[in-house]
Amino acid sequence: EAGVVQSPRYKIIEKKQPVAFWCNPISGHNTLYWYLQNLGQGPELLIRYENEEAVDDSQLPKDRFSAERLKGVDSTLKIQPAELGDSAVYLCASSRTSEAPVQFFGPGTRLTVL
Amino acid sequence: LAKTTQPISMDSYEGQEVNITCSHNNIATNDYITWYQQFPSQGPRFIIQGYKTKVKNEVASLFIPADRKSSTLSLPRVSLSDTAVYYCLVGEWMDSSYKLIFGSGTRLLVRP
Repeated sequence: EAGVVQSPRYKIIEKKQPVAFWCNPISGHNTLYWYLQNLGQGPELLIRYENEEAVDDSQLPKDRFSAERLKGVDSTLKIQPAELGDSAVYLCASSRTSEAPVQFFGPGTRLTVL
Repeated sequence: LAKTTQPISMDSYEGQEVNITCSHNNIATNDYITWYQQFPSQGPRFIIQGYKTKVKNEVASLFIPADRKSSTLSLPRVSLSDTAVYYCLVGEWMDSSYKLIFGSGTRLLVRP
């Protein structure tokens, strides 16, 4: 079974530029998560999808962050414009359901904002 | 502010048993406790999940007391390859909202 795929693995941009991350979850997994992980800290949930519906986006900074999950499969997380403090690893995870979920994580995208 | 807390780091030697405890005082009633392992430049990897009492699989055991306000991950006979960061994950009620909260992580170093 293929795992969660994320791209790109690394991204370097200048501040105020836009950036987008892509995630392809495990086939058949209805729930998709985007996390932000700062160095030396645990992942912090940004948004959780059940199929194509964002059921928890309370921790997504909506002034500059947006996400979509068209057709309930792939998802894209966007930042526009990026700020220096956005430098982090962005992790995508998926689970079969949201009940007693076992989340499977992708390798993450390491974003550096200069 | 409710937090999910873990020791920052632990040291051990090969072959020893390691126990890592996570405190989660505001865990949601129906929520499970899940533990993950993370190596550098990789996403977290599932280790074990439980709701109450004791759960065991081929790599670890998970002990959960009756009040469920903490949990202990037990790794039997650790090896060098178990050097990693370990996170607990629970759902908590914060400000009337349900939140998925990762602990801050425990960095385990296994020495020869």
